Amino acid sequence: GAVVSQHPSWVICKSGTSVKIECRSLDFQATTMFWYRQFPKQSLMLMATSNEGSKATYEQGVEKDKFLINHASLTLSTLTVTSAHPEDSSFYICSAQQEGIAKNIQYFGAGTRLSVL
Amino acid sequence: QKEVEQDPGPLSVPEGAIVSLNCTYSNSAFQYFMWYRQYSRKGPELLMYTYSSGNKEDGRFTAQVDKSSKYISLFIRDSQPSDSATYLCAMMGSDYKLSFGAGTTVTVRA
Repeated sequence: GAVVSQHPSWVICKSGTSVKIECRSLDFQATTMFWYRQFPKQSLMLMATSNEGSKATYEQGVEKDKFLINHASLTLSTLTVTSAHPEDSSFYICSAQQEGIAKNIQYFGAGTRLSVL
Repeated sequence: QKEVEQDPGPLSVPEGAIVSLNCTYSNSAFQYFMWYRQYSRKGPELLMYTYSSGNKEDGRFTAQVDKSSKYISLFIRDSQPSDSATYLCAMMGSDYKLSFGAGTTVTVRA
């Protein structure tokens, strides 16, 4: 149980285009999902907290107009990198949080490697 | 100062050795302490989760938390080549946000 699927696993795009990444909880409902960014040989940095049916909460320094987050259902959150540039190239990872007594456990997707040319 | 500091490594050990991984933290509000394993270009996988000070065992893994010293450890007994990965400590307060250490890369040599 507690499987989180992230798609695509790898995407290459041209500078100036937008890329959408999907995060799905396959066997549980996730009121809250989180989006992280990870640079090579560095740890995960939280970008934003995504709550179903409401606006995402962004961490300090993260441009909300550049990283659009939508959490339209209890099993799906999407991250859209708008007008991507080479400096946006990174590993993006989502996680989903179960409600109830397991609320403190986050289950992670496999990540999406974004390469912007 | 970072909220979570993790021994940087890398660590290289022979098969069968005990691996010791450590993190310190500064935020007294952290309530939950986790260890994740991450293989290259994959998402983190939860290994151990603890709430209180003390030890918790799960197979070859032992997690230790000392809240008074703000120090956590993970021990891997009888290490196997398949344990080669990056290990991340992570901590969470009442806001349910995770703060990660930088990770320690472990290589277990056959």
